[in-house]
Formats: sequence, C-alpha cells, structure tokens
Amino acid sequence: GQNIDQPTEMTATEGAIVQINCTYQTSGFNGLFWYQQHAGEAPTFLSYNVLDGLEEKGRFSSFLSRSKGYSYLLLKELQMKDSASYLCAVVDSNYQLIWGAGTKLIIKP
Amino acid sequence: GAVVSQHPSRVICKSGTSVKIECRSLDFQATTMFWYRQFPKQSLMLMATSNEGSKATYEQGVEKDKFLINHASLTLSTLTVTSAHPEDSSFYICSARGYWQGALRDTEQFFGPGTRLTVL
Repeated sequence: GQNIDQPTEMTATEGAIVQINCTYQTSGFNGLFWYQQHAGEAPTFLSYNVLDGLEEKGRFSSFLSRSKGYSYLLLKELQMKDSASYLCAVVDSNYQLIWGAGTKLIIKP
Repeated sequence: GAVVSQHPSRVICKSGTSVKIECRSLDFQATTMFWYRQFPKQSLMLMATSNEGSKATYEQGVEKDKFLINHASLTLSTLTVTSAHPEDSSFYICSARGYWQGALRDTEQFFGPGTRLTVL
C-alpha cells in the first residue's frame, strides 16, 4: 500500500528553527509537495521537490532524498503566524497526490 | 500560482436538502479537478477525480449517487451533496490542475479556499 508518515504534532519557540520530517512509500514518484494549512482554511503551497537536494525559499527550505523515501521541511526564524498544520504529499505514478496526515506545529512565545 | 475559487464559502442547511458547491479555475484551463473532504483534525481525503467532459472517478467508499460531480467545462466543476445528513458536515475543498501560463502543470494542484458545510 501507499503510506506517508509525518509526526502528528511538534512544538517550537518563536525565533527558533524546526524541522518536520516526512517518509513515504508510494507506487512511483513524481515529486513531493509541502503545504501549509491554517485551521479552517484550504492548504497553501510551500514547496515542490522532484530532484534530490535542498530547495531554499526565504525562511522555508525543503529537502528530498528519493533513495531514502525521505523529505523534510525546515522553518527558520519561527514566527507566531507559522502555527499551522504542515502537510506532506507525494505525486505517485498515476499523478495522484497521496497525502500525509499532517503535522500540527505549535509555536510558543 | 493559478487561482481557484469556490462558492459558497460556508453553507448551513437542513437535513434532507441538497447543496451544490461550485469550483472555478479563474485564470487557467483545468483539465482535471479533484474534490476533497476534510474532517476536523484529519488530513484531506480524496473523494473523486473528474476530467473535463467525462464522468468522475470516485474513491472507494464514496457514494457517487450521493455526491454528484459535474465537470462540464475547463473552468467549472460542481459537487452536489444530495439529501445531506449531519454526518456529511465537513470542509469540502476542490483543487485543479491543467494548463497554466501555456504549460501543462500535471503535477501541481491549485486549491480552492474550501466550503464549510454544516447540516443541521
């Protein structure tokens, strides 16, 4: 079966750095997305990785290792507004998105 | 990114009534649209995939006679929840992929803002 694993909840301090991990086992791979979702809102796009390595975009970076079936989202200089759920999603061989359950990130002052 | 709208954003209805939710791609041709449902504190659950001009493909466990999907054009898909019941109360989100800025974006999905359905 297809499976995406990510931690259920993480807590971090304002101004700090946090890394959210995602491991996956899917039928085929055509890229991995990270989305941010605030409570009661639809997901918003953060990053897309299809090749191995690190993609940096401002305070957010995303890393992919296809051989290990592993990705992480790195958030730097955390702000209170970063409190949200972070969803990892993999595009499988049928170009369908397979979703992780999401990681709820709690930022404390 | 490309813009997808949903209407209404919030709807409250009585049990037994039908509710229609519209999903529109405003600045691109959506060859494929997806309908998701999300219950509180859970991830998105794909309900169905629809390609323009053809019948939707429903995920296992989703009743196609209850959740009617129409994707009549490259910019509009509708989800109708027929004879809604309280257990249908959820956050319904559509997403779309297709041709944007002249290129086929076959991996990325652009999300609508979601529709909060409450059935009394």
